[in-house]
Amino acid sequence: AQKVTQAQTEISVVEKEDVTLDCVYETRDTTYYLFWYKQPPSGELVFLIRRNSFDEQNEISGRYSWNFQKSTSSFNFTITASQVVDSAVYFCALSDPNFNKFYFGSGTKLNVKP
Amino acid sequence: DTGVSQDPRHKITKRGQNVTFRCDPISEHNRLYWYRQTLGQGPEFLTYFQNEAQLEKSRLLSDRFSAERPKGSFSTLEIQRTEQGDSAMYLCASRSQGSYEQYFGPGTRLTVT
Repeated sequence: AQKVTQAQTEISVVEKEDVTLDCVYETRDTTYYLFWYKQPPSGELVFLIRRNSFDEQNEISGRYSWNFQKSTSSFNFTITASQVVDSAVYFCALSDPNFNKFYFGSGTKLNVKP
Repeated sequence: DTGVSQDPRHKITKRGQNVTFRCDPISEHNRLYWYRQTLGQGPEFLTYFQNEAQLEKSRLLSDRFSAERPKGSFSTLEIQRTEQGDSAMYLCASRSQGSYEQYFGPGTRLTVT
């Protein structure tokens, strides 16, 4: 079965701290895609990154970085030097090869305090 | 391009009433998705359309739920005989063929009293 687990329900940090959000997934597909979305208080899900199952290269985009490890079925997300504007709920998601069914984790609420 | 829009943004209804939500995808996006998100959970897939054809429905979509996309543009999601357990945020997303990214709307928050 397809499943995404985000064990951290809520994390609180002080501004400028680094924070890592964990994501573990299960799938029987050999080709699959992993995503991270941000859901600010306004409610609209915002796409952050996509990674396919054949590309285990880590990626950095500004203060954001992602660590994909197929051996441990994990796709973790790190925010460096967190800011108050990073406060949101972050969702990890797993997609079938055709991008038609997304399986979301339960989300991690990140609180960044000034 | 104004993004995915949903109407209404909030709906309060009494148990047993029928409700209908509308989603307008990004124009030229031929795929449209409905999700349900309950408090503290991630979105759960309900159904999706390719143009006007409904290609897959989740087991979460009971007989009281029906979705349509009659002309391959906007879509409606109807819930008949609402129950308190239907209270949730209903999200719509769309994407174009060949693209991986689903663009989400702001959602319709349903409260059944």
